[in-house]
Amino acid sequence: AQSVTQPDIHITVSEGASLELRCNYSYGATPYLFWYVQSPGQGLQLLLKYFSGDTLVQGIKGFEAEFKRSQSSFNLRKPSVHWSDAAEYFCAVEDSNYQLIWGAGTKLIIKP
Amino acid sequence: DSGVTQTPKHLITATGQRVTLRCSPRSGDLSVYWYQQSLDQGLQFLIQYYNGEERAKGNILERFSAQQFPDLHSELNLSSLELGDSALYFCASSPLAPRSDEQFFGPGTRLTVL
Repeated sequence: AQSVTQPDIHITVSEGASLELRCNYSYGATPYLFWYVQSPGQGLQLLLKYFSGDTLVQGIKGFEAEFKRSQSSFNLRKPSVHWSDAAEYFCAVEDSNYQLIWGAGTKLIIKP
Repeated sequence: DSGVTQTPKHLITATGQRVTLRCSPRSGDLSVYWYQQSLDQGLQFLIQYYNGEERAKGNILERFSAQQFPDLHSELNLSSLELGDSALYFCASSPLAPRSDEQFFGPGTRLTVL
């Protein structure tokens, strides 16, 4: 069965520092992968998605993610975080029934 | 603002009661998804409708049901409520099916069962 693992429940990063959030998936075929962000008290918003092609995907708010098939990973990165990036981040993979399988989320805390 | 609206924002009720949550998708979106988000279970897909028809079912309890109306708004009905049903319920919409593509989430309805 398809699954998504986000190994870090919380990550604390200083403002201005770089960020990498990890996501590992289990899926037999070429996956459709997503990163969503949930700001406090709000719904989820799509940051970026990977369907095919270039394995480095650019998203909104300066985020990017790299698909690595050999590692079954789709890690999210940002070169310099801002206080407004404090939120919860969810990785998801589309399953064979076209439904999203969600990771447990990683809460990003920004230190001033 | 995603364009998806959900009412009410907050709902407090007692065990054993029944509630209805309402969702209006973005203009033109035919697919509606319902999710439950709780601290212990995380984000769980409940059910999807596409143009009025049930498309897919996830971890939806038999006490829960949903429907999508001809004007494409959707309602999630939760009955015989239990304490464990307290959660944030999200509706999301997308223009296409069957692919998930991008889902646009509403702000959620926070349900508290006392």
